[in-house]
Amino acid sequence: NAGVTQTPKFRILKIGQSMTLQCTQDMNHNYMYWYRQDPGMGLKLIYYSVGAGITDKGEVPNGYNVSRSTTEDFPLRLELAAPSQTSVYFCASSLVVGPTDTQYFGPGTRLTVL
Amino acid sequence: ELKVEQNPLFLSMQEGKNYTIYCNYSTTSDRLYWYRQDPGKSLESLFVLLSNGAVKQEGRLMASLDTKARLSTLHITAAVHDLSATYFCAVDESGGAQKLVFGQGTRLTINP
Repeated sequence: NAGVTQTPKFRILKIGQSMTLQCTQDMNHNYMYWYRQDPGMGLKLIYYSVGAGITDKGEVPNGYNVSRSTTEDFPLRLELAAPSQTSVYFCASSLVVGPTDTQYFGPGTRLTVL
Repeated sequence: ELKVEQNPLFLSMQEGKNYTIYCNYSTTSDRLYWYRQDPGKSLESLFVLLSNGAVKQEGRLMASLDTKARLSTLHITAAVHDLSATYFCAVDESGGAQKLVFGQGTRLTINP
């Protein structure tokens, strides 16, 4: 199993550009999540999904959109990039069946908006 | 709104010493998670704590949960250099959907 994979690893955007961060998991997990981590800080939840076709907002959803058409994929779309979106973005997945299930994180995408 | 606070935020210690990281949270939750992050890397799950009085141990790390005090601790015993990392606690605010609120992290440096 590859686990959770993210592409790209690094990206530089100009203000106003758009892009999609890709996230794929091969563990057949039902739940998937997108977080951002600003320097020296903890992670903040952007969006999450409990299954294909179902998504919901997290703590910091403004400026982002998501979709979940398959169990495996959960892309994050940035529209009209702003410098405040400079961050490291982590995708995670979890089975959320038993009480001890935990999230598995991808390697992250480092995004800079100039 | 759930808030999660860790202290200390930075900790430098010598090998062989013991220390404790504290994680306080502001509202009731029945699930608390500890993660480790190495510099420039992703997060790795350490512990899931589910109930009051829960204690879990893995090697030199031991985590505990006091839901009445809304406090979790991560205790490091006889620290070794390999434990240098940033440690995060996270609390599930959704009662099972794992909508996690993270603490700021504790950057731990263990010196030989």
